[in-house]
Amino acid sequence: AQSVTQPDIHITVSEGASLELRCNYSYGATPYLFWYVQSPGQGLQLLLKYFSGDTLVQGIKGFEAEFKRSQSSFNLRKPSVHWSDAAEYFCAVGAGAGGGNKLTFGTGTQLKVEL
Amino acid sequence: GAVVSQHPSRVICKSGTSVKIECRSLDFQATTMFWYRQFPKQSLMLMATSNEGSKATYEQGVEKDKFLINHASLTLSTLTVTSAHPEDSSFYICSAPRLAGGGADTQYFGPGTRLTVL
Repeated sequence: AQSVTQPDIHITVSEGASLELRCNYSYGATPYLFWYVQSPGQGLQLLLKYFSGDTLVQGIKGFEAEFKRSQSSFNLRKPSVHWSDAAEYFCAVGAGAGGGNKLTFGTGTQLKVEL
Repeated sequence: GAVVSQHPSRVICKSGTSVKIECRSLDFQATTMFWYRQFPKQSLMLMATSNEGSKATYEQGVEKDKFLINHASLTLSTLTVTSAHPEDSSFYICSAPRLAGGGADTQYFGPGTRLTVL
């Protein structure tokens, strides 16, 4: 069965600092990986996804993520964090044909941005 | 981008009543939709897969008679929480995959429905 681990429950960074959110997955075949962001009381917004090809994926809002098969990781990064980035971030893995199948989510990382 | 809506966004009901939550894909058709449940400060847990034209498939531990799912059309799925109890209070989120060809489809999520059972 697939699983996702986000080791950091909470992360606090200063505005303008760089950010890296960790995600490790377990899946027997080629994974389909996603990062979503959830603001308070809101649904999930897709930041980026990896299906195949270039292992460095660019997403919206200046985020990027790198797929490292050897480490079973898909860490999310941003060079300079903005106060509006404060939210909950979820990493997810999907089986089979990408988003067309059910997703398994990590427990999330709560990002706090200090001004 | 694709849009998925949910209605209502918030509902408060008395214990023992039933509550219906709608999930609509507004600008695309979805033969499959997913229903998740999210407890405060926790991750999303998949409850069931809603299939247009056939029965929903439920994840282990989810009571199908408690959480009735109907995929009425290619743009609408409903989740009915029957005889709701306070422990059913949660944030319910639906999602629908938009097929992009080549297997590179993506799920789009609704804004969620906050259910509070008194």
